[in-house]
Amino acid sequence: SQKIEQNSEALNIQEGKTATLTCNYTNYSPAYLQWYRQDPGRGPVFLLLIRENEKEKRKERLKVTFDTTLKQSLFHITASQPADSATYLCALDGSTNAGKSTFGDGTTLTVKP
Amino acid sequence: NAGVMQNPRHLVRRRGQEARLRCSPMKGHSHVYWYRQLPEEGLKFMVYLQKENIIDESGMPKERFSAEFPKEGPSILRIQQVVRGDSAAYFCASSQNPGQPNYGYTFGSGTRLTVV
Repeated sequence: SQKIEQNSEALNIQEGKTATLTCNYTNYSPAYLQWYRQDPGRGPVFLLLIRENEKEKRKERLKVTFDTTLKQSLFHITASQPADSATYLCALDGSTNAGKSTFGDGTTLTVKP
Repeated sequence: NAGVMQNPRHLVRRRGQEARLRCSPMKGHSHVYWYRQLPEEGLKFMVYLQKENIIDESGMPKERFSAEFPKEGPSILRIQQVVRGDSAAYFCASSQNPGQPNYGYTFGSGTRLTVV
């Protein structure tokens, strides 16, 4: 069955460092992969999307890589700030499942000042 | 330009009652998705609807759950005869077109259902 794993339920880093979150998947051929941020009591907020034929995407301090051979996406936040503390979710969409995203359980990031 | 509006934010129901959750998609969006998030778990897809049509309901429990997105008005997720296991956060998302997901899906703030 399809499985998505986001490593380490919690990640603690020091302000100013780069946070790296991992999303691994099995038994899936996604057309694209998305990253979301979720704060407590709120809905997920879309951050970045990367397609299967793209290696890397950037947006301000965020960078996403997508390796379909390794079946892995890495999500980086450079120059992290305490305001970046949140839960980050990856989601996969297959071209045949348009509209049906499969989400990982998330990684909770805490950036300490 | 209001985002996805869900109401109520919090809903308490006794076992056996019905729960009705509403979702108004973002302006210009005609695709609506419902997800459920159990405590300490990730989001699980339930159903995908367009106006007056259910496109994919593969994530919906076979009994007691139903969803609609009428021509006029919000999308409704209905849970009949609620049980304690239905307690969760229910999120609605919308998009213009799932085939063009450049901007991802826009989620509402969710409805937190508590069954007592």
